Amino acid sequence: EVQLVESGGGLVQPGRSLRLSCTASGFTFGDEAMAWVRQAPGKGLEWVGFIRSKIHGGTTENAASVRGRFTISRDDSNSIAYLQMNSLKTEDTAMYYCTRALYTPHDGWSGYYSDCWGQGTLVTVSS
Amino acid sequence: EIVLTQSPGTLSLSPGERARLSCRASQSVRNNYLAWYQQKPGQAPRLLIYGASSRATGTPDRVSGSGSGTDFTLTISRLEPEDFAVYYCQQYGSSPPYTFGQGTKLEI
Repeated sequence: EVQLVESGGGLVQPGRSLRLSCTASGFTFGDEAMAWVRQAPGKGLEWVGFIRSKIHGGTTENAASVRGRFTISRDDSNSIAYLQMNSLKTEDTAMYYCTRALYTPHDGWSGYYSDCWGQGTLVTVSS
Repeated sequence: EIVLTQSPGTLSLSPGERARLSCRASQSVRNNYLAWYQQKPGQAPRLLIYGASSRATGTPDRVSGSGSGTDFTLTISRLEPEDFAVYYCQQYGSSPPYTFGQGTKLEI
């Protein structure tokens, strides 16, 4: 059974940093991309970014709203994905979900959709 | 960036009725790379449909996805009590970001 467990959330002041972790089990972690999605209180889902598997370059993509502040990385030996969040703003307050992102190639193009989700970790940015 | 617009914002129906939820994209979604997710209060989202019409593991047969290009639909043929939730579409056919729609709340 696939399991994703996020940790590291909490209350943090604006301008400070926080690192979220996502510990995975039940699948070959190194073979899959991993994504982060967030949801502000009472709002909809916002795609934050993802990291490809090493076999597909291990590169990352981020939403414009977090580019230059958030960094996604991975530790394949321990099956952990990370979201490093710097220069946090009050508008970053949200539940942060880790997801497995399945690689879907077709006609020379590829996309990734989230087939499994963790339960989320809450990040509150407030003074 | 592709913008997804879901309609209606809220859909009020009764158990046993048919629900049709719409997701319209600002430009064509390559390869019909469109997914649907269900979210219940206090829970993480759950994948229902990928590739516009393929059911994820565990998605019941009464839930189906259709459409192509810019217009997509999620249909629930006979509503069960557990179907009342918020539904989101997401496109993953363009270069990132893989944008979500704003959601449709399906209520009794």
